[in-house]
Amino acid sequence: AQKITQTQPGMFVQEKEAVTLDCTYDTSDQSYGLFWYKQPSSGEMIFLIYQGSYDEQNATEGRYSLNFQKARKSANLVISASQLGDSAMYFCAMREPYNAGNMLTFGGGTRLMVKP
Amino acid sequence: EAGVTQFPSHSVIEKGQTVTLRCDPISGHDNLYWYRRVMGKEIKFLLHFVKESKQDESGMPNNRFLAERTGGTYSTLKVQPAELEDSGVYFCASSQVSKDSQETQYFGPGTRLLVL
Repeated sequence: AQKITQTQPGMFVQEKEAVTLDCTYDTSDQSYGLFWYKQPSSGEMIFLIYQGSYDEQNATEGRYSLNFQKARKSANLVISASQLGDSAMYFCAMREPYNAGNMLTFGGGTRLMVKP
Repeated sequence: EAGVTQFPSHSVIEKGQTVTLRCDPISGHDNLYWYRRVMGKEIKFLLHFVKESKQDESGMPNNRFLAERTGGTYSTLKVQPAELEDSGVYFCASSQVSKDSQETQYFGPGTRLLVL
């Protein structure tokens, strides 16, 4: 079974609108961390936002927020007021310190395209 | 502060040749990771160093891959001899030591390896 599932291989969003990128995960760890990274066409992986399994509040970083629903094992990324520069691949990843050590397990990614 | 750097950015070699990839982590980061993304597949963990010691090399595909981190600073990943299926993007990431799930890994721009 996939540990991290991103069901949207590609998405379009109109500039200035909000968009939600889906991520579901599977773990038996009680303590785990969820991360989102952005990969623009230049190739580098940019850390966006983190959510810990014990965090009671949804994480927010500027225009990025994480809709964390623990019971449903989902950690969707919400980008508000999309900008042309948001066009990129977005990866959801999980760290399970007890099950898998320090490594990150990644989903397949979602390619977001922002239309002007 | 400089981020994670990787060299070379691109490498094209013939099957059977040797290639050495280099990663310079963020200064002060004891954790260093190698990941790989083969075309069309997810980003996969290869191995993890803590300082100069290999903490986890469970993701290394076979003995054609050799990683070193002499002195606990930069790391090299050598592929010898290279095969066609080794083509992909090799990412390096580094982080500070943390005991909780929030350890954030910062990625380099990757090395794009093409084996012909």
